Formats: sequence, structure tokens, C-alpha cells
Amino acid sequence: DAEITQSPRHKITETGRQVTLACHQTWNHNNMFWYRQDLGHGLRLIHYSYGVHDTNKGEVSDGYSVSRSNTEDLPLTLESAASSQTSVYFCASSDLPRGGGTDTQYFGPGTRLTVL
Amino acid sequence: KQEVTQIPAALSVPEGENLVLNCSFTDSAIYNLQWFRQDPGKGLTSLLLIQSSQREQTSGRLNASLDKSSGRSTLYIAASQPGDSATYLCAVRHNYGQNFVFGPGTRLSVLP
Repeated sequence: DAEITQSPRHKITETGRQVTLACHQTWNHNNMFWYRQDLGHGLRLIHYSYGVHDTNKGEVSDGYSVSRSNTEDLPLTLESAASSQTSVYFCASSDLPRGGGTDTQYFGPGTRLTVL
Repeated sequence: KQEVTQIPAALSVPEGENLVLNCSFTDSAIYNLQWFRQDPGKGLTSLLLIQSSQREQTSGRLNASLDKSSGRSTLYIAASQPGDSATYLCAVRHNYGQNFVFGPGTRLSVLP
């Protein structure tokens, strides 16, 4: 069965360190997204990609970067982790809507990141 | 800027009740609207997706309606069960972009 996985599921790091969160999907979807979820803010979009070598900034992109070298993976990098980046991070994917077809987003299980 | 709100923030009902969750959005120029369920500590699971040209979608005991002109969607859950306890989020996707904007969610508890 197709799926979307994230690793690690839990990560504790120190302020200033570089951290990379992995996202891998086997849906063969063109669109991939990274969100963070925080109490009081809900889900907020960090970065997104509509295909290989395409990346775009979302609502809260400062301090984060992504690269898309293949269809399956969209790793999220925190260049220099800050305590404000403590959060739960979700990766999602969806297919390009074609002729009004479905546009369902499929989410990974999440990565809980703590920056000390 | 699109804003999505959900009322109520939390809801507790006895098992068997029919209930309605509300979602409001400020910009009616949407491409579609999606309802998700999130269990504690888990990712989101898509429940229903309504295209902008549709008025409602149904899946089992769930029915979602969309009124674009008033900027509202409702999720109706029939004959609620304890297994329905979760947080329910709605998200809208714009006509002029491809990004979903999420509401804060409604936390539902169905008591046995």
C-alpha cells in the first residue's frame, strides 16, 4: 500500500544545531508539503513543492529550507535550530488536481521536535 | 488573507447524538474544502473533500456541506460513537494558489 513516512518520529536537539527531518512518500504524488502544528496556531505551512526541483516558501519559512531531488522525498532542514522551532512537524502529499479530480492531502505521522 | 475559523473549539456529547461542526472562511474564492480527523499524537486523515462546484459530500455517517457564498461548511456526524472522539479540522484551498489554509479544529469527545 502507498504511504507517507517521516523520520525520526521524535528528536531532541540543541539550539544552533542543524537538523534534517525526512519525508518519504510512495504515492508518486507531485505535490509535497511541510507543516508545523502548535497549540494556539493550528497547522501552518512552512514549505511546499509542486514537483522535482520546485520549492516554494510558505507562511512560516524563516529558518527552514527544503530541496526536491526526486518525486518521493522532501527533506526539511532547520539551518540553526531555535527554541521557537520546538513543534510537531507534518509532511503531506497530494496529486495535481486534473479536470476537477480529487485533491486529497495525505499526511505522515509527524515528527515531534524539541529544541533545548 | 484567508482566515478559517471553527466553532465550537470543543464539544462533548453522549453517544448516539447527531452533531454538527462548523467551519467558516473569509474569502469565498476557494477551489475546494477538505475535512480532516486527527487522533491524539497522530497525523491527519482526510474524511471528505468538497469541490467548489459541489454542495455536499457524504461518506457513511458523515455529511459535509458547502455554502461558498456565505463562507461556511458544516460537518454532520450521525449517531455519534466513542470512536468518533478526535479533533476535526477543515482546510480550504484557494482558486489562485494551491495551498491549504487550516482552521484551528474542534475537539470532539463522545461519551459512552
